[in-house]
Amino acid sequence: ETGVTQSPTHLIKTRGQQVTLRCSSQSGHNTVSWYQQALGQGPQFIFQYYREEENGRGNFPPRFSGLQFPNYSSELNVNALELDDSALYLCASSPGERNTGELFFGEGSRLTVL
Amino acid sequence: QKEVEQDPGPLSVPEGAIVSLNCTYSNSAFQYFMWYRQYSRKGPELLMYTYSSGNKEDGRFTAQVDKSSKYISLFIRDSQPSDSATYLCAMSGGNTDKLIFGTGTRLQVFP
Repeated sequence: ETGVTQSPTHLIKTRGQQVTLRCSSQSGHNTVSWYQQALGQGPQFIFQYYREEENGRGNFPPRFSGLQFPNYSSELNVNALELDDSALYLCASSPGERNTGELFFGEGSRLTVL
Repeated sequence: QKEVEQDPGPLSVPEGAIVSLNCTYSNSAFQYFMWYRQYSRKGPELLMYTYSSGNKEDGRFTAQVDKSSKYISLFIRDSQPSDSATYLCAMSGGNTDKLIFGTGTRLQVFP
């Protein structure tokens, strides 16, 4: 059974650029969530996808968008990058529609915005 | 006021000590309570999961939830240097799809 995998692991962008982060969910999981973790903080919920539909969103602006594909893999896109977007972006998968908290996280993609 | 409050530490203890980690929360709708462990530069790993009030034990780890006080705890017995990590509490309601995390407590267990 493969776990959650994310790519790239590290990347550096400049302000105003766009970035796409990718996630492959754990085998058998059809729900994917994305979290942003700033340095020294706990993860913050960005949004969740279930069966290719957005199924909940946190307090993030529309320039944060996502996709889920039929194989349940997912992308997080961030447009017009700002310095404060520098963070660890975590993808998590779970087996059902409702998150009861049993999330399985990937290692994250560390984004630095200069 | 944050929905979930957690002391960031760091907490430094000798090997073999009993460690107590705590979180308080304000939202009475939370029903699911989790503890995640996060090693440096890694993703969080689910340690303990509890539904509603009560205790749950798994090896050296015990999770307690007191919904009347809006207080949750994680106890680590016989702590080991390999337990050195950041411990994140997290919660969710039965009708929401997101976890609310604490800021995490950094634990250091020295030999």
